[in-house]
Amino acid sequence: SQQGEEDPQALSIQEGENATMNCSYKTSINNLQWYRQNSGRGLVHLILIRSNEREKHSGRLRVTLDTSKKSSSLLITASRAADTASYFCATDEDYGQNFVFGPGTRLSVLP
Amino acid sequence: EAQVTQNPRYLITVTGKKLTVTCSQNMNHEYMSWYRQDPGLGLRQIYYSMNVEVTDKGDVPEGYKVSRKEKRNFPLILESPSPNQTSLYFCASSYGTSGKETQYFGPGTRLLVL
Repeated sequence: SQQGEEDPQALSIQEGENATMNCSYKTSINNLQWYRQNSGRGLVHLILIRSNEREKHSGRLRVTLDTSKKSSSLLITASRAADTASYFCATDEDYGQNFVFGPGTRLSVLP
Repeated sequence: EAQVTQNPRYLITVTGKKLTVTCSQNMNHEYMSWYRQDPGLGLRQIYYSMNVEVTDKGDVPEGYKVSRKEKRNFPLILESPSPNQTSLYFCASSYGTSGKETQYFGPGTRLLVL
């Protein structure tokens, strides 16, 4: 079952600009996480936001969560070429043990 | 260094030849999981384990087996691989038994089944 769906599928921006990616999900959740994957490599955890939190920051990352709309957004400020990667949201189904990833947003930051 | 290791990293095999991909973590995590990643489909969970001797199916378990005899190891077994199992496989582990916390991923195993 596909829980998270990222939007857009691909995003291309210039270095220094902000990048915003969105994630929508279907069922109630305990928490939502964002991961980054450089091409063909393992996923790296970026940030976890719990269902009772609305916003969280980590360095240049800002994540928001709106449980009423079942959606989250990831904002990367002042992007760098090294931010070029795929970004995935992942959710846990409140009633189950599965951990479900969306198809990802492919971000390209051009120098 | 805290990490999840997988072996082999690359594997080419033929249809029907049994294979095992090993996964090991040194963080004393209870929860471990296997995913496959395919273009356009993202990551899909194959099996997960909440603790030793406790395993359960994910979204795409057909054609795979797992075992959890020790806390640190969670091998993925393909008894009779088929070409549709050609994929990039990731093992992950997580603190706690729920799988709802941060997951730490291995580097991936790229499998080609001819």
